[in-house]
Amino acid sequence: SQQGEEDPQALSIQEGENATMNCSYKTSINNLQWYRQNSGRGLVHLILIRSNEREKHSGRLRVTLDTSKKSSSLLITASRAADTASYFCATSNTGFQKLVFGTGTRLLVSP
Amino acid sequence: EPEVTQTPSHQVTQMGQEVILRCVPISNHLYFYWYRQILGQKVEFLVSFYNNEISEKSEIFDDQFSVERPDGSNFTLKIRSTKLEDSAMYFCASTRTDTQYFGPGTRLTVL
Repeated sequence: SQQGEEDPQALSIQEGENATMNCSYKTSINNLQWYRQNSGRGLVHLILIRSNEREKHSGRLRVTLDTSKKSSSLLITASRAADTASYFCATSNTGFQKLVFGTGTRLLVSP
Repeated sequence: EPEVTQTPSHQVTQMGQEVILRCVPISNHLYFYWYRQILGQKVEFLVSFYNNEISEKSEIFDDQFSVERPDGSNFTLKIRSTKLEDSAMYFCASTRTDTQYFGPGTRLTVL
């Protein structure tokens, strides 16, 4: 399976610091997407990176993808308390196929 | 901005009862999905739907589950005879390209 694993499982930082989360997967992919989930709520799409891309930015988010290592990282710069959530990576074999989610990283940003 | 909507937000049912979870995908999207997330676990794919038929389903999606697009806007997931282990958050998602947009979820509690 494409099953993704993320580390760390939990991350606790202070406001203003940067947070880095990593995701690894097992098979070739078409794209990798990052989602945020606030406690018990829905999944909010953050960013998509395709297999032929190495880095993408969106606001305070930076995502990298290394297909040779089958890994991705999500960097949140200048974190805020409102960034407190769980972050999941999800991979897809093709553009329209199912997403396979990772185990998630729980981020706690303290004021 | 268009959103995926789901109703109800919370459904409580007795074991063995039938439930129907409803979703309204984003209007110009063509691919529809159901996922579930058991409390504290990762998000799991159930089924994808395109052109009025199932395009892929997981092992979880057994004969107790069915999906339907009864009209041009709704997309439903039916569980015929609920089990205790069906208790989870159920998410609907839709896409037109490759970014999947998720609804807020329905929390299903089976007693």
